[in-house]
Amino acid sequence: GNSVTQMEGPVTLSEEAFLTINCTYTATGYPSLFWYVQYPGEGLQLLLKATKADDKGSNKGFEATYRKETTSFHLEKGSVQVSDSAVYFCALSDPYNQGGKLIFGQGTELSVKP
Amino acid sequence: NAGVTQTPKFRVLKTGQSMTLLCAQDMNHEYMYWYRQDPGMGLRLIHYSVGEGTTAKGEVPDGYNVSRLKKQNFLLGLESAAPSQTSVYFCASSYSSLAGVNEQFFGPGTRLTVL
Repeated sequence: GNSVTQMEGPVTLSEEAFLTINCTYTATGYPSLFWYVQYPGEGLQLLLKATKADDKGSNKGFEATYRKETTSFHLEKGSVQVSDSAVYFCALSDPYNQGGKLIFGQGTELSVKP
Repeated sequence: NAGVTQTPKFRVLKTGQSMTLLCAQDMNHEYMYWYRQDPGMGLRLIHYSVGEGTTAKGEVPDGYNVSRLKKQNFLLGLESAAPSQTSVYFCASSYSSLAGVNEQFFGPGTRLTVL
């Protein structure tokens, strides 16, 4: 079946450090891939997405590239800020499944210190 | 636009009690979802709906029931609460499309504790 695996957290970085959060997936067919972010006390919100191989999603300085050959969708940011502290979820969806269902990874908590 | 709202925000139940969580969206979305979030397990889909009057089981449906009598509302019911249902519950919605999977919009969550 389809699944998503993320690197374990928490990840603690200093402000302006480089961020990578690893995400790998197992899927049949050609899934779409997503990164969602959850700030403390809130629901999830879409950060970026990619719908086909070699697509790069980007938003708010974050980037992720859909790598079919390595089944990965790693999240990166060149210089993190304290306001980026949150939990990040990688997710996938088979575009042909009914109802647009998503499968989420377990989440990676990021803490950025000033 | 309020987006996706959830009622209540917090609730404490005793084992065996029942309750209903309400989710409402004002974006005219076809699809709605209920998830539970537990530490180290990400979000797991409980039930979902692809339109008014329809519901379907997700990954962890046991112990829960749902109804979608109106397009804008999606109710999650616990008939006899158990401590294993202590969790944070999120509702989400998205619009339907033949062109691929669309963004899901999430509510702020309901924190439920079952004693």
